[in-house]
Amino acid sequence: EVQLVESGGGLVKPGGSLRLSCAASGFTFTNAWMTWVRQAPGKGLEWVGRIKSKTDGGTTDYAAPVKGSFTISRDDSKNTLYLQMNSLKTEDTAVYYCTTVGGVGSSPHFDYWGQGTLVTVSS
Amino acid sequence: EIVLTQSPGTLSLSPGERATLSCRASQSVSSSYVSWYQQKPGQAPRLLIYGASSRATGIPDRFSGSGSGTDFTLTISRLEPEDFAVYHCQQYGSSSYTFGQGTKLEIK
Repeated sequence: EVQLVESGGGLVKPGGSLRLSCAASGFTFTNAWMTWVRQAPGKGLEWVGRIKSKTDGGTTDYAAPVKGSFTISRDDSKNTLYLQMNSLKTEDTAVYYCTTVGGVGSSPHFDYWGQGTLVTVSS
Repeated sequence: EIVLTQSPGTLSLSPGERATLSCRASQSVSSSYVSWYQQKPGQAPRLLIYGASSRATGIPDRFSGSGSGTDFTLTISRLEPEDFAVYHCQQYGSSSYTFGQGTKLEIK
């Protein structure tokens, strides 16, 4: 059974930093492309960024609002995905989900989701 | 960036009725790159449809997706009580993904 478990959320002041983790199990993490998606309170879903498998280059892409502030990385030895968030703003307040990317190369979609972790940016 | 606009914002229907949800893109999108998700309160989204019309594993056949170009549709043929939720469409293009703002399907 695929499981994705996010952690590391909490309350942080504007301008602060936070690192989220996503522990993966039930599939071959090394081969997986992974993403982060966020959802502000009462709002829709917003893609944050994606990391490819190391086999496919391990490169990252980010949404414009977080580019330069957020960094996605992975530790395949620990089956864990990370999201380093710097220079946080109040508008970064959201539930952050990690997801797997299915259909790579044909019809990419987010097939498995974690339960999410809440990040609150407030003074 | 491709913008997805979902309509209606809220859809009020009764169990047993047919639901038709729309997702319109600001420019043409490959149908291979359109997905739909269902989200219930307090839960993570769940994949329903990918490639515009392929049902994800375990999704009942009352859910179907269609469309091409800029217009895509999610149809629920006969609403069950558990289908009342928020539905999100999504597209992939130019190494990025965007979501629509969501359609809330509520019980009439």
